[in-house]
Amino acid sequence: QAVVTQEPSLTVSPGGTVTLTCGSSTGAVASHHYPYWFQQKPGQAPRTLIYDISGKQSWTPARFSGSLLGGKAALTLSGAQPEDEADYYCLLFYSDVRVFGGGTKLTVL
Amino acid sequence: EVQVVESGGGLVQPGGSLRLSCAASGFTFSDYWMHWVRQAPGKGLVWVSFINKDGSRTDYADSVKGRFTISRDNAKNTLFLQMNDLRADDSAVYYCSTLTTTTAYWGQGAQVTVSS
Repeated sequence: QAVVTQEPSLTVSPGGTVTLTCGSSTGAVASHHYPYWFQQKPGQAPRTLIYDISGKQSWTPARFSGSLLGGKAALTLSGAQPEDEADYYCLLFYSDVRVFGGGTKLTVL
Repeated sequence: EVQVVESGGGLVQPGGSLRLSCAASGFTFSDYWMHWVRQAPGKGLVWVSFINKDGSRTDYADSVKGRFTISRDNAKNTLFLQMNDLRADDSAVYYCSTLTTTTAYWGQGAQVTVSS
């Protein structure tokens, strides 16, 4: 089964910009992987932020954006807020199977 | 309003069985493939299984293959996960989700603890 990789942890200053990435052991992440990004805070269920590379849910703050960057899926947070401190998970599609990345713990400090 | 509610979790001894349910509302359940995802304490999200719209196709993560069975009842808008021969490392919060190319509805999860 494919392995999806994320940075284990990142730190961003309030108001700063940070990019989280999501790579695939099978090669470059592409549109057929339909990359998702989820945010999860302690004790809560995951919440969908981004679907299909860059699609946003109605509740997704404008400061979050998704893209493909250098063979990986990327989640960019521009203008970080304290409430953005959370775990972030990417998800890639491998035909019918789904594979999650290990998650990135984002600290806003 | 979309709602996904998991139930059936609890404490079970190693080797035991448990059946999780996931009741869906607010969307046309029979139009969606459905998935189970789990999260062990302090760990990340792990995909467990999927079932297609009419239940004719399923697949499982290697870690649960042969022990877990996914099924659905479209008349009752309900997804199931039968878990047999449970092990300590199956302890997790289990979520059901749609995980389509454009839609990921999530429930709040069901806690499963495998311990003697």
